[in-house]
Amino acid sequence: DGGITQSPKYLFRKEGQNVTLSCEQNLNHDAMYWYRQDPGQGLRLIYYSQIVNDFQKGDIAEGYSVSREKKESFPLTVTSAQKNPTAFYLCASSNFGDYNSPLHFGNGTRLTVT
Amino acid sequence: GEDVEQSLFLSVREGDSSVINCTYTDSSSTYLYWYKQEPGAGLQLLTYIFSNMDMKQDQRLTVLLNKKDKHLSLRIADTQTGDSAIYFCAEKGNFGNEKLTFGTGTRLTIIP
Repeated sequence: DGGITQSPKYLFRKEGQNVTLSCEQNLNHDAMYWYRQDPGQGLRLIYYSQIVNDFQKGDIAEGYSVSREKKESFPLTVTSAQKNPTAFYLCASSNFGDYNSPLHFGNGTRLTVT
Repeated sequence: GEDVEQSLFLSVREGDSSVINCTYTDSSSTYLYWYKQEPGAGLQLLTYIFSNMDMKQDQRLTVLLNKKDKHLSLRIADTQTGDSAIYFCAEKGNFGNEKLTFGTGTRLTIIP
């Protein structure tokens, strides 16, 4: 079955450490996205990529970095510069250029930094 | 930038209809979506409506769009306990990219 896999489901880190969240899709989608979810704030876009080796900042990119070396993979690194990294992180993908293509989401990674 | 707003909470008795409302500011919105999120999971697409439509029905779900007032609603008929979730409204603009702008989500609680 096609889908998006995020791993791990729960992640714990000490303050000051970088951490990388994995996102893999086998839907053959061109575009991939990272969103952050905080209670009562909805989803906020961190980074997105429309094609391999290219990505753009979203609304809250500070303290995060991404890479898109392969079509299937879009890992997100939460750096020590991110002031408030504890949150639920969601990866999504879609077919770029297919204008009514909705986002398909993974099941999320809950990151806790102490 | 674009803004999408929803009430944070809604409680409904089992068997009644639930109506979840959403307002948005982007007048160039092309598609509007409703997603459902169950606890600890990602978002699942429930339904979507193109901006030149004013209503779409899909089994127990009815979407109404008032483009003039930039108001979108989702009606769930005969609400069941399995409908308990957070419901997100999202809009896609017309700027040549695929980004969606999401609302804050409405947590629907079913009262037995």
